[in-house]
Formats: sequence, structure tokens, C-alpha cells
Amino acid sequence: NAGVTQTPKFQVLKTGQSMTLQCAQDMNHNSMYWYRQDPGMGLRLIYYSASEGTTDKGEVPNGYNVSRLNKREFSLRLESAAPSQTSVYFCASIEGISAGELFFGEGSRLTVL
Amino acid sequence: QKEVEQDPGPLSVPEGAIVSLNCTYSNSAFQYFMWYRQYSRKGPELLMYTYSSGNKEDGRFTAQVDKSSKYISLFIRDSQPSDSATYLCALTGSGGSNYKLTFGKGTLLTVNP
Repeated sequence: NAGVTQTPKFQVLKTGQSMTLQCAQDMNHNSMYWYRQDPGMGLRLIYYSASEGTTDKGEVPNGYNVSRLNKREFSLRLESAAPSQTSVYFCASIEGISAGELFFGEGSRLTVL
Repeated sequence: QKEVEQDPGPLSVPEGAIVSLNCTYSNSAFQYFMWYRQYSRKGPELLMYTYSSGNKEDGRFTAQVDKSSKYISLFIRDSQPSDSATYLCALTGSGGSNYKLTFGKGTLLTVNP
């Protein structure tokens, strides 16, 4: 049982380049999330998808776009990367019917030079 | 005032010590209270989950919620080196399709053998 899988695990970009972080879950969960984690800032919600076909902004959405491709997959795109987007990105999912455990992936470490 | 305040530490204790980790919050709408544990270079994992005020115990771990004071705590008894991790409190107001967690910044704990 893989849980939540994120790719790539590491990436280095130059300012202005674009890239997509991929996330897939195999738990048949309805809701999926993208967080970023920075030293001294904790986990901050970028975007979330309460169910297939819906997406909503979180606390720090600027500079990002998302796509809920199907129930399993939720991608995060940086159209023009900036050094301020250097961070560790976590994808998470939850069944979505009621409050409960959020399952996280292992993270994607992104450096923008 | 931030919605959730958590002392980032770091906190260093000897093996066998009792550890107390705390968060305060300002939003009375928070109803669900969680503690996540995050090992270095891993995603967070749910450790404790509670809904109401009072104590909840699970082995060496006790979660305490005081809604009147807007204060939550995690106690670790007989701490072990394997407890060395970052501990994040997480709160939310409701379940269902609009389920979003607000995280504290995390407290880095080191238990020394």
C-alpha cells in the first residue's frame, strides 16, 4: 500500500522556469491538498481539492496552479519559478467524509536559483 | 495574532524525561485537535486526535485540550530517543468537504540517550 506518492523528490530550477509536482494517492480519498513547509513558517496550505473536479485556494496560492486530474491525482504547477518558492512541498489526502487523519506524502524538495 | 501559536523550540531532554508540548489558538471555531509527528525528511504522521476538552491517552502519549483557555498540550512520558522529531499541532473547525487543517509551526524535540 503506497499511500500518497509525490514526484519528483528533489528538483533544482532556475528563476523563470516552470515545473509540475505530481501527487497520486491509492486510498480512494476524496480530498487532496498541497502544502509548503518553510523553516520557521510551519505548514501552509497552497491549494486544496475537496472532491474530483473542484479546487480552492488556500493560504498562499500566488504563483501556483493546480489540477485535479482525477480522483487519484492532484498536481501543482509553478509557471515561472521564483527563489521565494524554494521550499519543501507536501501533498496530502483525506477520505473527506468527516474529520480525520490527513495522510501525507514524503515531500518534494524544490530549490529555485 | 496568528490563529495558532506553537513554541518552535528546539527542546532537548534526556531519555526518560516527561516532555510537554503546547499550542495556543485564538479561533473559537476550532473543534478538532490533532498532533502530528514529523521525522526528519519525512511527511507528518498523525499521532493523536481529539474532539472535546479533556485528556486522551495512548500509551506514553497524552493529549490535553482546554477549550475555555484555547490551549492544547501533548505530554510524552518516559521519552525515548525514537521520539526525536518535530511535533506539530493541527486544528480545524469542521469536517466534511471543507476540511482544512491549520498547523502550528512545530516544535523540534531531541531526546538524548
